[in-house]
Amino acid sequence: GENVEQHPSTLSVQEGDSAVIKCTYSDSASNYFPWYKQELGKGPQLIIDIRSNVGEKKDQRIAVTLNKTAKHFSLHITETQPEDSAVYFCAASIGQAGTALIFGKGTTLSVSS
Amino acid sequence: DSGVTQTPKHLITATGQRVTLRCSPRSGDLSVYWYQQSLDQGLQFLIQYYNGEERAKGNILERFSAQQFPDLHSELNLSSLELGDSALYFCASSGSGGAWETQYFGPGTRLLVL
Repeated sequence: GENVEQHPSTLSVQEGDSAVIKCTYSDSASNYFPWYKQELGKGPQLIIDIRSNVGEKKDQRIAVTLNKTAKHFSLHITETQPEDSAVYFCAASIGQAGTALIFGKGTTLSVSS
Repeated sequence: DSGVTQTPKHLITATGQRVTLRCSPRSGDLSVYWYQQSLDQGLQFLIQYYNGEERAKGNILERFSAQQFPDLHSELNLSSLELGDSALYFCASSGSGGAWETQYFGPGTRLLVL
């Protein structure tokens, strides 16, 4: 079945460093790729998304790249801050309507000051 | 705050019981989605409704059912509960339920089956 692989599962960086999280998806029909941040005790919050008609999108310190040929997409966070510490999930649209999301297993990012 | 509300926040019940989780979407959103988050399975899509009609179905067990009412709130019913049903259940909503739409997640309901 459809699958999204996410790496690494944990990531520790120093404040100010960059963090990169990578995902691979299996469904070639996937065309929407959101990234969510989940803090303890809260629901996932969208931080950035990319659609299949673009290869890169940036929003301040956050950027996402998409390689549809290789079925890879990545999240890049620059100048990390302690408040970036959370669990990050990648997701890909699946299903006939393309509305359901399949999520990766998550990456726990720890930013130490 | 996403604007999606879920009740209750926590629920403790026994095996074999039935519970109902409630979700109110963001103002103006017509579509709701239900997800289950557990340590072993991660975040899994269960089902989507748009304006009262089922639109997409995921790995939802036959013991689980959902519906969306005319006022657009949704309920997820879980019956014959098993220990393995203990998880966080999230509701999300989006405008028209179409592809490429941002899904806004609620704070979740934590279910513990003893």
